[in-house]
Amino acid sequence: GAVVSQHPSWVICKSGTSVKIECRSLDFQATTMFWYRQFPKQSLMLMATSNEGSKATYEQGVEKDKFLINHASLTLSTLTVTSAHPEDSSFYICSASGIENTEAFFGQGTRLTVV
Amino acid sequence: GNSVTQMEGPVTLSEEAFLTINCTYTATGYPSLFWYVQYPGEGLQLLLKATKADDKGSNKGFEATYRKETTSFHLEKGSVQVSDSAVYFCALSSNTNAGKSTFGDGTTLTVKP
Repeated sequence: GAVVSQHPSWVICKSGTSVKIECRSLDFQATTMFWYRQFPKQSLMLMATSNEGSKATYEQGVEKDKFLINHASLTLSTLTVTSAHPEDSSFYICSASGIENTEAFFGQGTRLTVV
Repeated sequence: GNSVTQMEGPVTLSEEAFLTINCTYTATGYPSLFWYVQYPGEGLQLLLKATKADDKGSNKGFEATYRKETTSFHLEKGSVQVSDSAVYFCALSSNTNAGKSTFGDGTTLTVKP
């Protein structure tokens, strides 16, 4: 199947700083990318949907000014957690689907720890 | 809206035991159904999928059949191994927006030797 790569796999940052997470589709053009958040021992909750070249659509309750999403090309989307706080510590996972949008392919996830 | 309900865990089995993890869903239209597996500290891996009623998805000895009449997609394996220990997520997506997934809460499986 198609490959989606996230970077970094894990990151530790200080409170108040910003962190950028990258999601790349390695062998297909990802017209749509999705960002999920997973708290320990919980399920994945969709944060936002991004389409290449347009603004992301955020789910209810997700602060768009805090979680900045950019989908500037057909192979790259980024999630920036701005002014991070300890409660933002979580596992963030992206997925991507191609033009036909028949299936999503998941990245390996990024574990963010804010200290 | 769409929702997925999974059997609560954790589930602990002995090696070579039979596994069933129940999954039911609520959705408009005819969604695609998935089972994902997540090993500790890792992302999601697609285990199997079914895109229409009565389809059976299978992979690595795991099977699940898309039952429209009971809105279910139960995961089964005839003989589990220690290496099957992981968290299993049932999920659905609509055929008009297949990339956007709704997940169940996950079921943790531990297989003991």
